[in-house]
Amino acid sequence: KAGVTQTPRYLIKTRGQQVTLSCSPISGHRSVSWYQQTPGQGLQFLFEYFSETQRNKGNFPGRFSGRQFSNSRSEMNVSTLELGDSALYLCASSLGHTGGADTEAFFGQGTRLTVV
Amino acid sequence: AQSVAQPEDQVNVAEGNPLTVKCTYSVSGNPYLFWYVQYPNRGLQFLLKYITGDNLVKGSYGFEAEFNKSQTSFHLKKPSALVSDSALYFCAVRDRSSSASKIIFGSGTRLSIRP
Repeated sequence: KAGVTQTPRYLIKTRGQQVTLSCSPISGHRSVSWYQQTPGQGLQFLFEYFSETQRNKGNFPGRFSGRQFSNSRSEMNVSTLELGDSALYLCASSLGHTGGADTEAFFGQGTRLTVV
Repeated sequence: AQSVAQPEDQVNVAEGNPLTVKCTYSVSGNPYLFWYVQYPNRGLQFLLKYITGDNLVKGSYGFEAEFNKSQTSFHLKKPSALVSDSALYFCAVRDRSSSASKIIFGSGTRLSIRP
């Protein structure tokens, strides 16, 4: 079974630009979560999508947005990029419902975004 | 609100010695608890989880973790450390009372195993 795939792996953008990151979850997984990882702040939850609906949202400004498609693939978008947005963005997928064996999340390798 | 605390930024252990990485949590209901490991420039890899039942959970690469409800802790342990265990370890919690609850991660503990 293929794992979680994130594209692209690396991105360099200029301040003020926008960026779109993509995540393909494990087949059959309906929940996709996004996290921002930085050395200073650790792993910060951005949002979670389940069956094309945003189910949870972290404390990030409105410049950060996402969506999920009917095939469970997800994208996140960051507009008006700032230097502080430089980070590793991680996507995780899970089946998305309660149940003893099915609650862990599986992570992609991440997209390293550098804003210059 | 859910939260996870990993009180140690770094843990240093000699190869062959036992290791412990600490984690405490806070949830309004009963928790699902997880440990993940991250190697440089990689995503997180799932190590083990506590759902219910036996408080001692065994996972990948010889790791285990002990759930202690009274102390709200879920410490990661290994009887004999390997140099290859050196990595960043994250504890995480999810409130089992809601299918909509998100997984919250601790700040991470860097484990360094010296030969």
